Amino acid sequence: DAGVTQSPTHLIKTRGQQVTLRCSPKSGHDTVSWYQQALGQGPQFIFQYYEEEERQRGNFPDRFSGHQFPNYSSELNVNALLLGDSALYLCASSRLALSSYEQYFGPGTRLTVT
Amino acid sequence: AQSVTQLDSQVPVFEEAPVELRCNYSSSVSVYLFWYVQYPNQGLQLLLKYLSGSTLVESINGFEAEFNKSQTSFHLRKPSVHISDTAEYFCAVTEGSNTGKLIFGQGTTLQVKP
Repeated sequence: DAGVTQSPTHLIKTRGQQVTLRCSPKSGHDTVSWYQQALGQGPQFIFQYYEEEERQRGNFPDRFSGHQFPNYSSELNVNALLLGDSALYLCASSRLALSSYEQYFGPGTRLTVT
Repeated sequence: AQSVTQLDSQVPVFEEAPVELRCNYSSSVSVYLFWYVQYPNQGLQLLLKYLSGSTLVESINGFEAEFNKSQTSFHLRKPSVHISDTAEYFCAVTEGSNTGKLIFGQGTTLQVKP
């Protein structure tokens, strides 16, 4: 059983560009959450998708957007990249109906903005 | 608003010694509490969680944490650490009624020395 997968592993972009990160949830999971982890910091919640809709959102600007597909996979899009967007982006999946509140994390995508 | 404070950024300890990683939280509602571990260049793995019931929870690799509601703490302990326990440890909280947004602390680096 594959866990949460993310692509690409690493990415280098220039300021002002746009980037798309991808996530496939663990088998049986229907909810995907995205987190940003800056160097030396704890992860910060960006948003969560369930049934192809944004269910919750953290304190991130509209430059950060997402999408969830019918197969539950998800994309994170960041427009007009800033140097401060450089971070590890983590995807986590869960099953909303379960009361375990457990989220399974992928290995992350390391984004470097130059 | 919820917040999590991990009181130590780094904890150096010798192999086979006991260790405690401290975590305090603030919230106006009931919470669920988690400890995650992150090994270098990897995503987060759930170590243990407190949802309800016994305030002492244990992991399969010898860690334990105790939920103390009066002190709003959820400290992580291990009686004897191994070199392989060297990693970053994150304490996280989510509201009881909220199954999505994890609030993480800044992390504690556990450095186990031979």
